[in-house]
Amino acid sequence: DAGVIQSPRHEVTEMGQEVTLRCKPISGHDYLFWYRQTMMRGLELLIYFNNNVPIDDSGMPEDRFSAKMPNASFSTLKIQPSEPRDSAVYFCASRRGDRGRDPQFDEQFFGPGTRLTVL
Amino acid sequence: RKEVEQDPGPFNVPEGATVAFNCTYSNSASQSFFWYRQDCRKEPKLLMSVYSSGNEDGRFTAQLNRASQYISLLIRDSKLSDSATYLCVVNSWRWDMRFGAGTRLTVKP
Repeated sequence: DAGVIQSPRHEVTEMGQEVTLRCKPISGHDYLFWYRQTMMRGLELLIYFNNNVPIDDSGMPEDRFSAKMPNASFSTLKIQPSEPRDSAVYFCASRRGDRGRDPQFDEQFFGPGTRLTVL
Repeated sequence: RKEVEQDPGPFNVPEGATVAFNCTYSNSASQSFFWYRQDCRKEPKLLMSVYSSGNEDGRFTAQLNRASQYISLLIRDSKLSDSATYLCVVNSWRWDMRFGAGTRLTVKP
């Protein structure tokens, strides 16, 4: 199993540009999560999907951020326009099944992350 | 109050030492608990789940205290390779997994 795949691994862009981050979850996983990690704020949940449907996007900072999951094997996180304060590591994670039914289903598997720098 | 709180450390301990981390959570309805490990510039990875009765995995012991709403991680006989940031994670029906800010551990020779 290839694990969760993210691209690009590094992105440097200028303020005002559009940024698109991509994620391929582990095959068969029903849940997909987008996180942002900074030194100041730690790991923050931005949004998560269940069976391609957004369930909770309350962590999305503002309207400049949007996420989609057009099918079970692909998701994007888009920032438009980007700002220097968006600089962070963005992680995608996936999980197999419904939480609470069996604890073993609760493990999240993280991708390697995308390190975003907005100048 | 943050949903999940951890002492950020850093904890600097010599090899062979025993070190313990605590984590408190605010939602009494939380259902499942985990410790994740994150190495520098890497993604978080599951270290161990935390069960109500407490559980042990080699040198690592996790405990849950629901009444006081905290979980703990004990590492015995620390190795250099244990140096990492340890993230406390809490899961409930209302919100999905919430991560603590992490506790940084450095094990020195």
